[in-house]
Amino acid sequence: EPEVTQTPSHQVTQMGQEVILRCVPISNHLYFYWYRQILGQKVEFLVSFYNNEISEKSEIFDDQFSVERPDGSNFTLKIRSTKLEDSAMYFCASSGGGYQETQYFGPGTRLLVL
Amino acid sequence: KQEVTQIPAALSVPEGENLVLNCSFTDSAIYNLQWFRQDPGKGLTSLLLIQSSQREQTSGRLNASLDKSSGRSTLYIAASQPGDSATYLCAASGYNFNKFYFGSGTKLNVKP
Repeated sequence: EPEVTQTPSHQVTQMGQEVILRCVPISNHLYFYWYRQILGQKVEFLVSFYNNEISEKSEIFDDQFSVERPDGSNFTLKIRSTKLEDSAMYFCASSGGGYQETQYFGPGTRLLVL
Repeated sequence: KQEVTQIPAALSVPEGENLVLNCSFTDSAIYNLQWFRQDPGKGLTSLLLIQSSQREQTSGRLNASLDKSSGRSTLYIAASQPGDSATYLCAASGYNFNKFYFGSGTKLNVKP
């Protein structure tokens, strides 16, 4: 069964460093998302992406964050200058072509900023 | 902004019991409501999606219902098994179908 994959599974970085989190969505999906979950807190929406542009972003998704679909298969989240409070589990998700379709989540990347 | 609440926060039941998990949301103008399962330290596994025009969805021992007018959804698990032990998350979209708002989850423990 097709699934969303994410790499790396864990990343440790120093405050102020740039990180890139990678995702391979399900191949025929058209909508892509990033969510995050700080330990012990709710899963929070960050951004959605469709047709090579951001379709919605949350107030969390400030200028330090960016997303890109560099080729036909990968979807990346970049954090330019990490902060301690960026430590969280980051989930990538994808859904098909309609507006009422299931979002499928990847296993997540656990980011720890020291 | 859509606010999603899940009650109870934790639930412990003996194997074989039928159980109901509750989810409430503040904005009835939703497109979708999706139930997920999350195992410790793992990702989210989609269980059921209910579209705004639907009242319920079923998959195996799981049945999810949606009542937009009252802002509620329930997840019914029949004949619970120890393997059902996990945290169950409810997520509702708002006016923008792209954006899910999550509840805090119900942590379920099914005792053998």
